[in-house]
Amino acid sequence: EPEVTQTPSHQVTQMGQEVILRCVPISNHLYFYWYRQILGQKVEFLVSFYNNEISEKSEIFDDQFSVERPDGSNFTLKIRSTKLEDSAMYFCASRAGGANTGELFFGEGSRLTVL
Amino acid sequence: AQSVTQPDIHITVSEGASLELRCNYSYGATPYLFWYVQSPGQGLQLLLKYFSGDTLVQGIKGFEAEFKRSQSSFNLRKPSVHWSDAAEYFCAVNTGGFKTIFGAGTRLFVKA
Repeated sequence: EPEVTQTPSHQVTQMGQEVILRCVPISNHLYFYWYRQILGQKVEFLVSFYNNEISEKSEIFDDQFSVERPDGSNFTLKIRSTKLEDSAMYFCASRAGGANTGELFFGEGSRLTVL
Repeated sequence: AQSVTQPDIHITVSEGASLELRCNYSYGATPYLFWYVQSPGQGLQLLLKYFSGDTLVQGIKGFEAEFKRSQSSFNLRKPSVHWSDAAEYFCAVNTGGFKTIFGAGTRLFVKA
């Protein structure tokens, strides 16, 4: 069964460092997402990406965040200068085309720890 | 703006007992509704979804959910809980845009 894969599974970084989280969505999917879950809290929408551009983003997704689909298979989330409060589990998700009734398929997450 | 409320932060049920997890949404029309489950250290897996039609939907692992328009609710149920059902359950809503938003989650504990 096709799945969304994320790397790394866990990254520890120093405050102020740049971090790139990588995702390989399901190959025929057209919509891509990043969500964040701070430990013990809700799953929060960060950004959606379609047709090589951001389609929607939340207030969390400020100038420190960026997304890219550099090569048609990977989908990356970059945090330019990490802060302590960026420590969270980051989930990538993808969805097939068509109406927004489609299921989101999630990866297993990348845990980011900022020290 | 749409919102999703899961009133119960955690619920404990005995193995074999029935389960109902509550979900209420706030939106002017009928949204697309989902329930996801998250086991410890795992991503989120879709249990079931509602778009239109029959208001009682069946999902995987023996779960079902009922959409009640008058109550703006989409409660998740299971007639007999198994120990392996212990997990975090998230209700989610999509109002036709790109964004699916999630409730705060309900953690289910199952006691022997």
